[in-house]
Amino acid sequence: QQQVKQSPQSLIVQKGGISIINCAYENTAFDYFPWYQQFPGKGPALLIAIRPDVSEKKEGRFTISFNKSAKQFSLHIMDSQPGDSATYFCAASRNSGYSTLTFGKGTMLLVSP
Amino acid sequence: GAGVSQSPSNKVTEKGKDVELRCDPISGHTALYWYRQSLGQGLEFLIYFQGNSAPDKSGLPSDRFSAERTGGSVSTLTIQRTQQEDSAVYLCASSFSGATGGQYFGPGTRLTVL
Repeated sequence: QQQVKQSPQSLIVQKGGISIINCAYENTAFDYFPWYQQFPGKGPALLIAIRPDVSEKKEGRFTISFNKSAKQFSLHIMDSQPGDSATYFCAASRNSGYSTLTFGKGTMLLVSP
Repeated sequence: GAGVSQSPSNKVTEKGKDVELRCDPISGHTALYWYRQSLGQGLEFLIYFQGNSAPDKSGLPSDRFSAERTGGSVSTLTIQRTQQEDSAVYLCASSFSGATGGQYFGPGTRLTVL
């Protein structure tokens, strides 16, 4: 049972463009939704996270949009740069994050120069 | 400051051998998690320690897997009688006591079972 579905599996964006990755969840008990960035050979790094009491959170070039009624959330990377090329994982958790993370399958992003 | 550290970074073992993987969480973090990352399964939860509470072992795939956390800090994940399907990257994460429990990951241990 895949509780967090992530799409697309891979994405190619031109430098300066907007990268958009989408996730959908099933468990309404989830109340914490982080995004992680992972480079080859490294562990996932926490990028940005959101609680369902807000519909959007922005940190620098990264924005999470959250739609509670649709049980969907997305990551937008503005002005995408080649250095953003990595695998991105969405995740969901209960208890404000003080619980295990359920991850999406990941999206490989390539930003072309 | 220092992040989560894991050792060894790589481990190659023969089928049937036991292995121990170590995790040093960020100082002051009360919660510690083990996850496994493999090509076919993505990132999957293994075990979770929170303070002095009994660990949540619900993600351990078999009784060959066990983990302990000594003194509320360092943790060791032990895999007994390793099998080829145990080959994966084992990731440790820790989180602090704040408004939300953001989890910070270590670099992982890549385990290869021959």
